[in-house]
Amino acid sequence: EVQLVESGGGLVKPGGSLRLSCAASGFTFSSYSMNWVRQAPGKGLEWVSSISSSSSYIYYADSVKGRFTISRDNAKNSLYLQMNSLRAEDTAVYYCARGSIAAAGTAPYWGQGTLVTVSS
Amino acid sequence: EIVMTQSPATLSVSPGERATLSCRASQSVSSNLAWYQQKPGQAPRLLIYGASTRATGIPARFSGSGSGTEFTLTISSLQSEDFAVYYCQQYNNWPGGTFGQGTKVEIK
Repeated sequence: EVQLVESGGGLVKPGGSLRLSCAASGFTFSSYSMNWVRQAPGKGLEWVSSISSSSSYIYYADSVKGRFTISRDNAKNSLYLQMNSLRAEDTAVYYCARGSIAAAGTAPYWGQGTLVTVSS
Repeated sequence: EIVMTQSPATLSVSPGERATLSCRASQSVSSNLAWYQQKPGQAPRLLIYGASTRATGIPARFSGSGSGTEFTLTISSLQSEDFAVYYCQQYNNWPGGTFGQGTKVEIK
């Protein structure tokens, strides 16, 4: 069974930093691209960042480029999101989502999310 | 950026009835369109990809159609567990696939 478990969320002041983690199990982690998608309270879904299976390709939404860094450790079956210079508008539930080989760009598996609150 | 527009924002349907949700892209996304279902407090669930292919384990009452800029998700006979918010997502311009704003399907 595919499992994705996020951690690392919490309350942080504007300008602060936070590192999210996603522990994966139930599939060959090193074979799949991974993504972070966020959802502000009461709002829709926003793609944040993607990383290819071997970390060769990394992409970011314009809204987080230069502030967030995605990375992965295939030996530890883990995905990370380093978030710096946080803003109030970064407040959201952050989901870790596995990519699809059959339909690149879709996300057939999601974690339950971790809440990041940016507030003074 | 490709903008995805869903309609209606809210759809009130009685159990057992058919629900038809629409999604329009600001430019062609070919058939690179997915639909997700999200229930309160839960992560999204992939229903449809490639505009019309059901994801693993998705009941046959869910069907998708369309290509280019106009897409439809149909739920043939609404069950109680189908009341949720539905999002379309284009992945033609990937990475950076954009989501629609969602359609809430509520009990009439």
